[in-house]
Amino acid sequence: GQSLEQPSEVTAVEGAIVQINCTYQTSGFYGLSWYQQHDGGAPTFLSYNALDGLEETGRFSSFLSRSDSYGYLLLQELQMKDSASYFCAVRLNRDDKIIFGKGTRLHILP
Amino acid sequence: DAGVIQSPRHEVTEMGQEVTLRCKPISGHDYLFWYRQTMMRGLELLIYFNNNVPIDDSGMPEDRFSAKMPNASFSTLKIQPSEPRDSAVYFCASSLHRGGRNQPQHFGDGTRLSIL
Repeated sequence: GQSLEQPSEVTAVEGAIVQINCTYQTSGFYGLSWYQQHDGGAPTFLSYNALDGLEETGRFSSFLSRSDSYGYLLLQELQMKDSASYFCAVRLNRDDKIIFGKGTRLHILP
Repeated sequence: DAGVIQSPRHEVTEMGQEVTLRCKPISGHDYLFWYRQTMMRGLELLIYFNNNVPIDDSGMPEDRFSAKMPNASFSTLKIQPSEPRDSAVYFCASSLHRGGRNQPQHFGDGTRLSIL
């Protein structure tokens, strides 16, 4: 079977840094994506890692270690608008078939 | 450029009725995905198409579910007969495949389906 594990909830303070971890066990692996979803909204793409290491996009960074089947999303300078659910997703094949984790709900305190 | 368009946004119907969800992918995209999202099961891939051809329908829960893509700009997901446990948000997403490199999936706003 396929499994992606991420914390169900994380709480952080505005302006701070938060890390959301994801571990996976899948039949195939082409890369790890992160998506953001606000309440009542659609998932939107944040980042993708195919190779080990850190990818930075503005305030957001994503890391992958394929040998550890592990990745994380790092959010810096947290803003209230970052309150949302964050999903890690494994790309299983060249067709861009992806499976999603259950999501991490990020609560931001003022 | 218009995003992925889904209709209807909300659907409330009685158990046993046929439900048809519609999706218009982003023009030029060659992959189309149907997902279902519930609190219990999260975001599940139901089926996906490449160039209008179904590639993998292993996520379709039962024979009551069917999906078609008659052309590059339109897809439907049908549930017949519907049951209360089908209540969920159904998302359609599309992407453009480029030489094996990952391309993000672009999601529609979803259809919130309630079966009474």
